[in-house]
Amino acid sequence: GDSVTQMEGPVTLSEEAFLTINCTYTATGYPSLFWYVQYPGEGLQLLLKATKADDKGSNKGFEATYRKETTSFHLEKGSVQVSDSAVYFCALSAYGGATNKLIFGTGTLLAVQP
Amino acid sequence: EAQVTQNPRYLITVTGKKLTVTCSQNMNHEYMSWYRQDPGLGLRQIYYSMNVEVTDKGDVPEGYKVSRKEKRNFPLILESPSPNQTSLYFCASSSVGASYNSPLHFGNGTRLTVT
Repeated sequence: GDSVTQMEGPVTLSEEAFLTINCTYTATGYPSLFWYVQYPGEGLQLLLKATKADDKGSNKGFEATYRKETTSFHLEKGSVQVSDSAVYFCALSAYGGATNKLIFGTGTLLAVQP
Repeated sequence: EAQVTQNPRYLITVTGKKLTVTCSQNMNHEYMSWYRQDPGLGLRQIYYSMNVEVTDKGDVPEGYKVSRKEKRNFPLILESPSPNQTSLYFCASSSVGASYNSPLHFGNGTRLTVT
């Protein structure tokens, strides 16, 4: 079945460091891909998304490129801030159309130290 | 303000005592869903509803019930809670399903502890 695998955390970085959180997926068809972020004590919020190969999603300085050849959607940010400390979830929506659920990875905790 | 509201935020109960977690959205969304979040397992779908009076099982429905009598409300019912249902629960909604053009909006979560 469809699945998402993301790197184990926690990831601990100093402020202004470069961030990469790896995400790979297994899916039939052409899934849409998402990154959600969960700040402490809150629900998940959509961070960015991409719907087809080579699409780049971006928001708040974060970027991720849909790589069909490597079935990956790695999250990157050039310079992290303390306020970026959160749990990040990679997810896919199967078939690219309306479907009944998103399939989530296990989440990666990012801790940014001043 | 567009939002998904869950209540309560925290709940401690004992095995076998029926409980209901409420979920309400004010965005006129057709699709609503419940997830549970557990360490190392990510989010797993419990039940979902594509529209009023239409509900279906997700990946981990055992021990849970839902109803969708009104478009805005989607309560989660635990008829006889057990300790393995201790978890963080999230309600989510979207306009149509869970797709690129219809991203999920999440509530702030309900942390349930069953002793």
